[in-house]
Amino acid sequence: GEDVEQSLFLSVREGDSSVINCTYTDSSSTYLYWYKQEPGAGLQLLTYIFSNMDMKQDQRLTVLLNKKDKHLSLRIADTQTGDSAIYFCAEGILTGGGNKLTFGTGTQLKVEL
Amino acid sequence: KAGVTQTPRYLIKTRGQQVTLSCSPISGHRSVSWYQQTPGQGLQFLFEYFSETQRNKGNFPGRFSGRQFSNSRSEMNVSTLELGDSALYLCASRAGQVNTEAFFGQGTRLTVV
Repeated sequence: GEDVEQSLFLSVREGDSSVINCTYTDSSSTYLYWYKQEPGAGLQLLTYIFSNMDMKQDQRLTVLLNKKDKHLSLRIADTQTGDSAIYFCAEGILTGGGNKLTFGTGTQLKVEL
Repeated sequence: KAGVTQTPRYLIKTRGQQVTLSCSPISGHRSVSWYQQTPGQGLQFLFEYFSETQRNKGNFPGRFSGRQFSNSRSEMNVSTLELGDSALYLCASRAGQVNTEAFFGQGTRLTVV
């Protein structure tokens, strides 16, 4: 079955690194994603990683994937107040000739001065 | 290049009515998926369309339906609205059936009173 879990809250100081964690259960995931949602807005795709990769870096963002443990993390370096938002991880599953995303509950990141 | 456009942004309906939401994907994208976001249930997959055909459907009652037109624009319809249908409805656009990146619109905020 598909189940994606995240911790609900994370608070960090501006300039520190943030690490948001996610665990998933479906081993048939092909891609794993991180999305950001600001208040009143839709979902912004931050980055994604193919399931046979261990790591992907994109500017301030680093994604680590431990496929054995089904654990995904997003590290944001030099966190800024503008990074305050809800972060969702999602697993992409190919099914029915298409694909669908199963989202985690979201982690609310609060960046304090 | 324009992003994913959802209309209307906000909608208030009365219980028992029906509603139609619209999504125009990114130009050239042929796959459209719909998601419902509520505080209690989080982000849940509704359905996915590609080339005017429904490819996948989530666990929602038959009151929820959708379609896709030849220009890839999609509509979703909810009949006999219930209070619990109040949610943010998000549409995602992909270039093809299995392309990696799903881009979301700003969503339609539906309130049922």
